[in-house]
Amino acid sequence: EVQLLESGGDLVQPGGSLRLSCAASGFTFSTYAMSWVRQAPGKGLEWVSVITAGGGLAYYADSVNGRFTISRDNSKNTLSLQMNSLRAEDTAIYYCAKEMYGGSRRVDYWGQGTLVTVSS
Amino acid sequence: QSALTQPASVSGSPGQSITISCTGTSSDVGGYNYVSWYQQHPGKAPTLMIYDVSNRPSGVSNRFSGSKSGNTASLTISGLQAEDEADYYCSSYTSSSQGVFGGGTKLTVL
Repeated sequence: EVQLLESGGDLVQPGGSLRLSCAASGFTFSTYAMSWVRQAPGKGLEWVSVITAGGGLAYYADSVNGRFTISRDNSKNTLSLQMNSLRAEDTAIYYCAKEMYGGSRRVDYWGQGTLVTVSS
Repeated sequence: QSALTQPASVSGSPGQSITISCTGTSSDVGGYNYVSWYQQHPGKAPTLMIYDVSNRPSGVSNRFSGSKSGNTASLTISGLQAEDEADYYCSSYTSSSQGVFGGGTKLTVL
């Protein structure tokens, strides 16, 4: 059974930093691209970032490019998102998401999410 | 990277069929057969309902179907049931290797 367990969500001040983690199990982690998707309170889904299976390539939404960094440790089955220069508009539930084989931003499994609140 | 366009809400009675549209551009929906649809119940994570425009994952009811014409994809739910009431989101791969979601559609089963 695929399981994705996010952690690291917290209350942080504007301009601050936070690191999210996602522990994956139930599949061969190193074979699949992994993504982060967020959802602001009461709003829709927003794609944030993706990293290829081997970790060699990453892509970002324009709204976070230059502030967020996605990474993965295939030896520990862990996905991370380093978030810097946080803004109020980054407040959201952040979902860790597994892409289907072949990637192309097709998510077949989602974690339960971790809440990030950016406020003074 | 503009969001795909979906109607804010649709409704239907039990047993009826409804269709939700998802309009993008030739750089996303129209350019690739990588359109997915997700169902999200309140307080829950999304679940995949359709991938690659019209394919259903194992376990998803055949009452759910997808299609695409040009820059617009569609999700049809036939034989509406009370448990279908949820938010539905489309998504697509883009020419920049990014992902993009629609704004979401709230389905109400009357």
